Amino acid sequence: EAQVTQNPRYLITVTGKKLTVTCSQNMNHEYMSWYRQDPGLGLRQIYYSMNVEVTDKGDVPEGYKVSRKEKRNFPLILESPSPNQTSLYFCASRLAGENEQFFGPGTRLTVL
Amino acid sequence: LAKTTQPISMDSYEGQEVNITCSHNNIATNDYITWYQQFPSQGPRFIIQGYKTKVTNEVASLFIPADRKSSTLSLPRVSLSDTAVYYCLVGRTGGYQKVTFGTGTKLQVIP
Repeated sequence: EAQVTQNPRYLITVTGKKLTVTCSQNMNHEYMSWYRQDPGLGLRQIYYSMNVEVTDKGDVPEGYKVSRKEKRNFPLILESPSPNQTSLYFCASRLAGENEQFFGPGTRLTVL
Repeated sequence: LAKTTQPISMDSYEGQEVNITCSHNNIATNDYITWYQQFPSQGPRFIIQGYKTKVTNEVASLFIPADRKSSTLSLPRVSLSDTAVYYCLVGRTGGYQKVTFGTGTKLQVIP
């Protein structure tokens, strides 16, 4: 089944404890992206990538890192999480020549 | 990137046709208009995309006037399951660029 998977789906952590949220797609998509969603603010893009080793900042990249070492994976790294990073996170992917993005199920992160 | 403006919320009764309009005054020549639907705690789902005039699929229709400064998503005969947030996006097809979803339009379908 063609899909985008994220892990973990739920995570409660404490301030300053490094964490990684994984994202993987099995559709051979070139473009991958991370978003965060907060009440009243809609979906905001954190980072995006057009292919292996090519990543760019979205609208809210502060406090986050990403890597794209393999085409199918695009992990989101929080080196030192803070409570303002408590949010619902979505990973998405699409083909290079298309607009339709396919979203993962989301990761609900709480930073205490 | 062209900025989009949508109503924050709309209510509709079951069985009615719903039209959600998106304003994008600064749309560029190469930009397409894409609409997504999002249910609570789920990722957005692509609904429809268009460049000009009218596009229809099994879920919705998209109307785009000649000046392309706005677009209207039309949902025929809505049901309770259409209650969701609808986002309008504008950008080059397949372009490598930031994506801005905005806050979308929250549609509440009433029995």
